[in-house]
Amino acid sequence: GQNIDQPTEMTATEGAIVQINCTYQTSGFNGLFWYQQHAGEAPTFLSYNVLDGLEEKGRFSSFLSRSKGYSYLLLKELQMKDSASYLCAVDDTDKLIFGTGTRLQVFP
Amino acid sequence: DTGVSQDPRHKITKRGQNVTFRCDPISEHNRLYWYRQTLGQGPEFLTYFQNEAQLEKSRLLSDRFSAERPKGSFSTLEIQRTEQGDSAMYLCASSLTSQGASYGYTFGSGTRLTVV
Repeated sequence: GQNIDQPTEMTATEGAIVQINCTYQTSGFNGLFWYQQHAGEAPTFLSYNVLDGLEEKGRFSSFLSRSKGYSYLLLKELQMKDSASYLCAVDDTDKLIFGTGTRLQVFP
Repeated sequence: DTGVSQDPRHKITKRGQNVTFRCDPISEHNRLYWYRQTLGQGPEFLTYFQNEAQLEKSRLLSDRFSAERPKGSFSTLEIQRTEQGDSAMYLCASSLTSQGASYGYTFGSGTRLTVV
């Protein structure tokens, strides 16, 4: 079956670093995506990993280990505007399959 | 190109009525996807098209749901005899798929359906 797991909620303090983990089991794999979604809005693209390793883009980094079926999203220098849901999604070669999302609350 | 457009943004309907949503994808994209998202959950896959062909439908898509993409451009999602459990955000996305790889997944702003 298809399964993507991530924590439901996380909290962190402004200026800190937070890591959101995602584990997956899918029938196919053509890359893993991270999206940010603010309440009532569409998901917006953050990162894409298809090969093992770390991809860095400004304050956001994403890591993938295909052999372990594992990814994480690392957010540095947290800002209040980073309070949102973070969605892990796997391209199973036909479509994106999403986890339930991790709601991150950033406190001052 | 202004990205993926969905219309309407919000729809309130009475139980038992039919509703239809429209999605206009990015013009260069050949795949179009429909997802449903309820509060506190990630988007759930409903169906997707490659050009005008509907290639996969989720078991979530009951007989009351039908989607079309008649000319391989815009798509419509119709829900007949709506139920309160249909209340959700309906998201459309598009991508360019070539030789088995998809690029540029982009989501629309969604249509929020409330069934009363």
